[in-house]
Amino acid sequence: GEDVEQSLFLSVREGDSSVINCTYTDSSSTYLYWYKQEPGAGLQLLTYIFSNMDMKQDQRLTVLLNKKDKHLSLRIADTQTGDSAIYFCAGGSGSYQLTFGKGTKLSVIP
Amino acid sequence: DTEVTQTPKHLVMGMTNKKSLKCEQHMGHRAMYWYKQKAKKPPELMFVYSYEKLSINESVPSRFSPECPNSSLLNLHLHALQPEDSALYLCASSQDPGPNTGELFFGEGSRLTVL
Repeated sequence: GEDVEQSLFLSVREGDSSVINCTYTDSSSTYLYWYKQEPGAGLQLLTYIFSNMDMKQDQRLTVLLNKKDKHLSLRIADTQTGDSAIYFCAGGSGSYQLTFGKGTKLSVIP
Repeated sequence: DTEVTQTPKHLVMGMTNKKSLKCEQHMGHRAMYWYKQKAKKPPELMFVYSYEKLSINESVPSRFSPECPNSSLLNLHLHALQPEDSALYLCASSQDPGPNTGELFFGEGSRLTVL
């Protein structure tokens, strides 16, 4: 099955860019996802990328995919205090099940 | 309507109680899911319903009993739970129940405390 690894914490200053990294093991994942979870809330899909793409940009979010290294990153430009949350990388391994990373807690310092 | 609604938001129950968690979506999605999330951990899949039929049970103890009365509703019946079952229970749905499901829409979760 899929194994997804993320760093656990990231702290940035408001207005700077944040980069959250993720590595995965299953190269057959068709989609790779970034979900955001605010305290006490459910998960919200931020963006996803097809495995045949290298990059996807959506407003302040940029996703980069390096299939050779099985590395996925999420860049948040002009990070705001409202971006403080836990960010989960997730991959699908050809079944119903998404495998989530442990989550990266992003703290934005005003 | 792009929401998945879960009730109750909070539930406290004793180990001998019977309670239910409810989930509803009106997006016409054909797959619905229950996830369990412990503090500071990622969500773990419990059950998947596809076209109202149970398609995946991730070796969940029988004290958790899912039910899908119709395509919009998903219940999780709880009986004789243990304190270690205390967690955030997340419901999700997706349009396509097949492989690589695409976007999962999550509810806000039901926070369960077992005393």
